[in-house]
Amino acid sequence: DIQMTQSPSSLSASVGDRVTITCRASQSISTYLNWYQQTPMKAPKLLIYAASRLQSGVPSRFTGSGSGTDFTLTISSLQPADFATYYCHQSYSSTHTFGGGTKVEIK
Amino acid sequence: EVQLVESGGGLVQPGGSLRLSCAASGFSLSNYAMHWVRQAPGRGLEFVSAITSDGGTTFYADSVKGRFTISRDTSKTTLYLQMGSLRTEDMAVYFCAREGSYKYESSGYSYTFGFFDYWGQGTLVTVSS
Repeated sequence: DIQMTQSPSSLSASVGDRVTITCRASQSISTYLNWYQQTPMKAPKLLIYAASRLQSGVPSRFTGSGSGTDFTLTISSLQPADFATYYCHQSYSSTHTFGGGTKVEIK
Repeated sequence: EVQLVESGGGLVQPGGSLRLSCAASGFSLSNYAMHWVRQAPGRGLEFVSAITSDGGTTFYADSVKGRFTISRDTSKTTLYLQMGSLRTEDMAVYFCAREGSYKYESSGYSYTFGFFDYWGQGTLVTVSS
């Protein structure tokens, strides 16, 4: 299986900060990489698909980049609604896998 | 409107069985691959199983292979997960998810990118004696 490693596992930030989360695949996955946001007791919400394409309705402060094995999710100016846990997800292989998650907390 | 509603979770003893259902509305199961994803308490997301849009191929995580079976009834618009030989480590919220796709063509090649565009609210499976 393809292993997905996210870093950091958690971070503290303030409203207005620029936040970057990274995701590394154990082998090349081209741009078969998606990002989700999850708040407590809720299902995950799709933010970015195909590494850099913004899902409809998602604010433009979220951007994704990368290809091959290294990917990033950037939030340009953190808003109160953005305090959540973020997961990367590879759909390159038939048995999809997720990163371990990055919890974004209020500083 | 697309909706996914899971049911069937509950308390089961180790070694027991349970069948989860995911009722789909607003789209046809015949047009989309479908997945089960789980989340143990306080943990991250874990792929469990998938079934292709034509229902002909299934995939399983190594941790559940041989114990879980994914299936669907397109006439009832319902996805299922039959779980057997349950272990304490199977305790989790189980989500069903639809795999949307984005097709991209470049230099005569076509690429299809999959992602989970709709999720259910989840159903909790507790494995305990």
